[in-house]
Amino acid sequence: DAKTTQPPSMDCAEGRAANLPCNHSTISGNEYVYWYRQIHSQGPQYIIHGLKNNETNEMASLIITEDRKSSTLILPHATLRDTAVYYCIVRVASGNTGKLIFGQGTTLQVKP
Amino acid sequence: GAGVSQSPSNKVTEKGKDVELRCDPISGHTALYWYRQSLGQGLEFLIYFQGNSAPDKSGLPSDRFSAERTGGSVSTLTIQRTQQEDSAVYLCASSPRLTGAGTDTQYFGPGTRLTVL
Repeated sequence: DAKTTQPPSMDCAEGRAANLPCNHSTISGNEYVYWYRQIHSQGPQYIIHGLKNNETNEMASLIITEDRKSSTLILPHATLRDTAVYYCIVRVASGNTGKLIFGQGTTLQVKP
Repeated sequence: GAGVSQSPSNKVTEKGKDVELRCDPISGHTALYWYRQSLGQGLEFLIYFQGNSAPDKSGLPSDRFSAERTGGSVSTLTIQRTQQEDSAVYLCASSPRLTGAGTDTQYFGPGTRLTVL
């Protein structure tokens, strides 16, 4: 299973863009990059996912490098409610199991 | 629409007792997952159900843990003879399990906080 590496913590000023990096240098060609976040005392929340092209939705943008060995989640205008642990996950593609393997994630603190 | 629901939200039990945790997935979702999150730790996969296929139990930490999914919908996670190290938040997720292994999104419930005294 491809593993991911994320910084343990980051700060961001409210209203500014939050850029959360993730390294996944051993990713396989058919594995997707997923991002989830977990706000304190809640279950994880899906944010976005991608294979090789950049993706954007109402929550965030996902930039994946051409070699697919790293990616960046961008929250364009961070608010205090975006304070959470952000998990970058490479989806297990083998077998029939869709389990997610969570690392330690990045704790994003949005400050006023 | 309604999301994944779990009950109870909190459970306190004594060491050695059995507990049952319930998960109601999103209607129509064929895949159901159980994870747990110990204090200060990341999420750990426990078990996965997909339709009528045999479940993937590879994440269950011991034979004291079991789970079933009746009628392809509601799931129950049972922990027998609970130990203090079982204290954690137990999270359930479901997904529509669309075609294409990498494209189904898991939707999580709020979790059950289990405390074993």
